[in-house]
Amino acid sequence: DQQVKQNSPSLSVQEGRISILNCDYTNSMFDYFLWYKKYPAEGPTFLISISSIKDKNEDGRFTVFLNKSAKHLSLHIVPSQPGDSAVYFCAASEGGTYKYIFGTGTRLKVLA
Amino acid sequence: NAGVTQTPKFRILKIGQSMTLQCTQDMNHNYMYWYRQDPGMGLKLIYYSVGAGITDKGEVPNGYNVSRSTTEDFPLRLELAAPSQTSVYFCASREIGETQYFGPGTRLLVL
Repeated sequence: DQQVKQNSPSLSVQEGRISILNCDYTNSMFDYFLWYKKYPAEGPTFLISISSIKDKNEDGRFTVFLNKSAKHLSLHIVPSQPGDSAVYFCAASEGGTYKYIFGTGTRLKVLA
Repeated sequence: NAGVTQTPKFRILKIGQSMTLQCTQDMNHNYMYWYRQDPGMGLKLIYYSVGAGITDKGEVPNGYNVSRSTTEDFPLRLELAAPSQTSVYFCASREIGETQYFGPGTRLLVL
């Protein structure tokens, strides 16, 4: 039972354009969501997060949107840069627990 | 600032052998985690710990054991290695209100 789903295994975007990565979840008790970025042969690194009391959070070129009714979140990268090429994981946690549930990842390739 | 370190980086095991994956963090974090990542899959939580002496099972604990005798160390033990345990293993730590910091991973191949 995959509680956090990233249905697009890969995405290619031209440099300078917007990258939109999507994530769906099934557990309505999730109240905190995160995006991690992973380069080959390295551990994931934290990118941006959002609490369920918000519907948007921005950090520079990265914005996360949360639609609780649809149980959907998305990560927007504007403008996309070649250095953004990596695998992006979304993760979710339920209040009062210490566990994060991860999606399967989306491999983003930004073309120069 | 070392953060989260993992050893070894790569290991080949024969079926039935045992080994311990080491994880150390120097950030004085209470929470530590072990994940595995299979090809094309996300990270699956194996075990986690909320402090020294306290551990709990994650999503995929079978075939593994952990201990947490100190705040810094959280070793993962494989007792009888099986080909299904071929994976990349990540250790992570965090503190309340912070996000997880991951180690660089240990690649394990069981033949």
